[in-house]
Amino acid sequence: EAAVTQSPRNKVAVTGGKVTLSCNQTNNHNNMYWYRQDTGHGLRLIHYSYGAGSTEKGDIPDGYKASRPSQENFSLILELATPSQTSVYFCASGDLGGRGEQYFGPGTRLTVL
Amino acid sequence: AQSVTQPDARVTVSEGASLQLRCKYSYSGTPYLFWYVQYPRQGLQLLLKYYSGDPVVQGVNGFEAEFSKSNSSFHLRKASVHWSDSAVYFCVLSVNNNNAPRFGAGTKLSVKP
Repeated sequence: EAAVTQSPRNKVAVTGGKVTLSCNQTNNHNNMYWYRQDTGHGLRLIHYSYGAGSTEKGDIPDGYKASRPSQENFSLILELATPSQTSVYFCASGDLGGRGEQYFGPGTRLTVL
Repeated sequence: AQSVTQPDARVTVSEGASLQLRCKYSYSGTPYLFWYVQYPRQGLQLLLKYYSGDPVVQGVNGFEAEFSKSNSSFHLRKASVHWSDSAVYFCVLSVNNNNAPRFGAGTKLSVKP
């Protein structure tokens, strides 16, 4: 069965600190995505990737970096965390060039104090 | 630009009643359409998908959706809802290779016992 895991599941960070959220998929999918979910906004796309070594900006990339060192792993990096980045973050993988269904991880709840 | 609109942020129905959740999309070409469900504090799971062919597609747990090109719609239906159907439902549009999917804002469904 397709599987996407995220770590950590919960994170408390301080303003100005660096935060790295990790995502691993065992689906061998080319595409991976990072979203954040806030009340009233649904899911908003931060960064995505077509494959190892590639990253693309989504709709709200400011304040975030992404890294795709391998087919399986996709990280989201907050170099200088701010309270406005408090949210729930979801990673997903998908194939068929973005036309296929996505498989979502369980989410990471990030609180920036 | 491609977009998805879910006009109802919240829907409340009684258990056993029928359900329709509305979804309108904006795209002139061939859409690939999905409905996902998110139960509390979980990631998203696929309910059903439409690629082509029969405009009525069946999904899990008795859900179905009907694609209408003339109305640019992909409404989700269920004949008789159960309290366990209470969740947030997302309509998603994919359009072509390597364009990230577009999410609607979601509809929160509450089923009254």
